[in-house]
This record gives sequence, C-alpha cells and structure tokens, in this order.
Amino acid sequence: QLQLQESGPGLVKPSETLSLTCTVSGGSISRSTYYWSWIRQPPGKGLEWIGSMLYSGSTFFNPSLKSRVTFSADTSKNQFSLKLTSVTAADTAVYYCARRVGTDWYYNYYGLDIWGQGTTVIVSS
Amino acid sequence: DIVMTQSPLSLSVIPGEPASISCRSSQSLLHSNGYNYLDWYVQKPGQSPQLLIYLGFSRASGVPDRFSGSGSGTDFTLKISRVEAEDIGVYYCMQALQTSITFGQGTRLEIK
Repeated sequence: QLQLQESGPGLVKPSETLSLTCTVSGGSISRSTYYWSWIRQPPGKGLEWIGSMLYSGSTFFNPSLKSRVTFSADTSKNQFSLKLTSVTAADTAVYYCARRVGTDWYYNYYGLDIWGQGTTVIVSS
Repeated sequence: DIVMTQSPLSLSVIPGEPASISCRSSQSLLHSNGYNYLDWYVQKPGQSPQLLIYLGFSRASGVPDRFSGSGSGTDFTLKISRVEAEDIGVYYCMQALQTSITFGQGTRLEIK
C-alpha cells in the first residue's frame, strides 16, 4: 500500500523560502500515471491546491502561487519536493502531499486518492 | 478559476437519517469525454482529507455504499443515505476539470 509522508521545518521566517519534501513508500514516483500534488490548509480554513507534477516534468500550478512555487523530484530517494519563496504569515498552513491518479490530466482519472498526514508550517520571525 | 460553492455550510443530522450536500460550479465540469470532473472529500477531525467520490459518482475504494454522488454540468450532490456517528467531519467538493484545481468552502457535518 502506497504511503506519503511530508517533512520539513515547522517554522520559517518571513521573506525566506519554505522547503518541504514528500517521501513515497510502497510505490515509485516515476510512474507516468501519477500526478504528485501539494495542497495546503490555513488554520481553521479550507483546502487550497498548490500544484501537481508528473515525474516526467509536466507541472501545473495554482495561478495565485505560480510565481513563488517550484517542484522537483528525486527518484533515488523516491521523494518529491515543494519550494515556496518569499513567504509571509499568509503561508502559515498544514501542507499535504497527495497522489492524483490519471493519464494526461483527464484520462484514467481516479481522484486524489492517497494523502499524507500533513505537516504544519508556521511563518513567523 | 472555477469557483465552487457548497451548501449548506453546516448541517446537523440524527443518526440513521439521510443527509445531502450541494455543490455548484461557476462553469460546467463536463468534459468532452462524457465525465464530470467533480470529486468529494471528507476531512474527519484531526485527519487528512480522504477521497469519497470521483468523477461525480464513482465511489473510491473502501467507501461505504451509503455515500453516493450525482449531478452533471454545474450542479452536484453528495448524499448519505443513513448518517452514522463516524461520518462527522468537513465535506469538500473539488473540481478537477481545469489544470487549476479548486475546492468548495467545505460543509461541516455534525451529529445531533
């Protein structure tokens, strides 16, 4: 059974870069039928999609965050990562990684079927 | 971006009674392949969200058959035929048609 686990610093200073990693166990990140995704949830609020990436390099970002977000993948560690630059208090949230099953965004789509436990990031000086 | 609007934002249900949540999208979620790219997720207290329904009506693996999804285009409904205590949580609809995914505000389900 595939599992996801987020990791990263729990506290980031304003204007710095937030870096998070999602470790995938029980399956390979290099499969072409999976989009690896990031979603966040500010305290007491709803869910906000950050973006999704195929291992092969195809990426999609939330337009409101696109200028500050970078995705990457490390197959040797079976991990994918998120970097969010120039953070402010508004970036304080629980960050989740998730798997989106699908081919070419629309085909063989099965939803965001596996989620990590989430990691809390607080932006504060 | 497609705006997703849920109603009600909260509901309180007696165990064994049905419950229904509505989700409306600002644009049609019907793809030319005939599928509606609308999912339902539930976030139980202290947990990560979990998938209930994808493509408008398909139940995810392990989801009880008392959960059902329906609708097409811009109007969708999640129904719970008989609410159980374990169903408490916040329910979200999510559109996956555009390559910019958006969620509804969430509907909090409580047990009376």
